[in-house]
Amino acid sequence: GAVVSQHPSWVICKSGTSVKIECRSLDFQATTMFWYRQFPKQSLMLMATSNEGSKATYEQGVEKDKFLINHASLTLSTLTVTSAHPEDSSFYICSARLVHNEQFFGPGTRLTVL
Amino acid sequence: GNSVTQMEGPVTLSEEAFLTINCTYTATGYPSLFWYVQYPGEGLQLLLKATKADDKGSNKGFEATYRKETTSFHLEKGSVQVSDSAVYFCATQGGSEKLVFGKGTKLTVNP
Repeated sequence: GAVVSQHPSWVICKSGTSVKIECRSLDFQATTMFWYRQFPKQSLMLMATSNEGSKATYEQGVEKDKFLINHASLTLSTLTVTSAHPEDSSFYICSARLVHNEQFFGPGTRLTVL
Repeated sequence: GNSVTQMEGPVTLSEEAFLTINCTYTATGYPSLFWYVQYPGEGLQLLLKATKADDKGSNKGFEATYRKETTSFHLEKGSVQVSDSAVYFCATQGGSEKLVFGKGTKLTVNP
């Protein structure tokens, strides 16, 4: 199957700093990428949908100025958590999709904000 | 919007035991239904899916049948293996093509 990578796999940062997470589709071109957030023992919650070359569509309750998404190419999307605070600590997962096909998920990034 | 309720874990079984993980959904229209599996340290992988009522999805010995009358999509396997230990997520996808996940059920299979 198709492979999606995320980098870094885990990151620890100080409160108030910004953190960038990369999501790459390694062997296919993804027209759409999705960003999810997962709290312990909770479901994956969709944060935003991004299409290459256009602005991301955010889900209700997700602050677009805090979670900046850039989908500059068909193989790369980035999520930047700006001015991170401890409550932003979570597991962030991306997925990539080609047109209307199956979503392929990355392994996730564990963010801890001190 | 759509929602999914799945059996809370964790579930612990002995090898070769029968597995059932319950999943029910609420949705408008006729959603597609999925089971994803997440092995330790890996991303979610599609295990099986069904796109219309009475469809049966199957893969790696796992099965689930789309039951519209009971709005259910229970996951079953007749004989689990240690390698099946993972977290299983039930999900629904409606017209917006967004996936809505259940909370996940952790399965541990002991030898």
